[in-house]
Amino acid sequence: AQKITQTQPGMFVQEKEAVTLDCTYDTSDQSYGLFWYKQPSSGEMIFLIYQGSYDEQNATEGRYSLNFQKARKSANLVISASQLGDSAMYFCAMREQYEKLTFGTGTRLTIIP
Amino acid sequence: DARVTQTPRHKVTEMGQEVTMRCQPILGHNTVFWYRQTMMQGLELLAYFRNRAPLDDSGMPKDRFSAEMPDATLATLKIQPSEPRDSAVYFCASGLLAAARIGTQYFGPGTRLLVL
Repeated sequence: AQKITQTQPGMFVQEKEAVTLDCTYDTSDQSYGLFWYKQPSSGEMIFLIYQGSYDEQNATEGRYSLNFQKARKSANLVISASQLGDSAMYFCAMREQYEKLTFGTGTRLTIIP
Repeated sequence: DARVTQTPRHKVTEMGQEVTMRCQPILGHNTVFWYRQTMMQGLELLAYFRNRAPLDDSGMPKDRFSAEMPDATLATLKIQPSEPRDSAVYFCASGLLAAARIGTQYFGPGTRLLVL
């Protein structure tokens, strides 16, 4: 079974609009972490945001926020006021034990001017 | 600005040749990871180290791949002999176990390997 599911292979969003990238996860652990990474066309993987399973508040980092709904096992990434530079692949990942991460298949986001 | 560095950035080689990829983790980080990214398989964890000791290399084809950390500033991934199916981007990532955001990993720029 997939541990991390990203159901949107691609998205097109108008510049300046907010965008939500979906991520659902599957785990029986009580303690886990959820991460989002950005991979632009240049290929590097850039850490964006982290949410711990015991964190009561949604994580925020600048224009990025993580909409964490524990009961639904979802960890959607919200980008406010999208910019052309946000065009990239976005990966959701989960840590269940130690530091091993399991990645989803990614969502390709394209921002339209 | 601390970064993970990887060399080489690109490598083209012929089937059967040895390939060595190097990674310098962020100074002070005590965990190092090797990933492989392909279109078909996505991101796969090959191996990881904590305090230079290998903790898990179950994702690695044992007969041809080997990963080592000769010291805290250098991690290597070797493929011998290389095969066309090894063509991929290989990422090194490092992290700090004691950090509040346990599991946050910082990735290097990757080595793009093409085996002909």
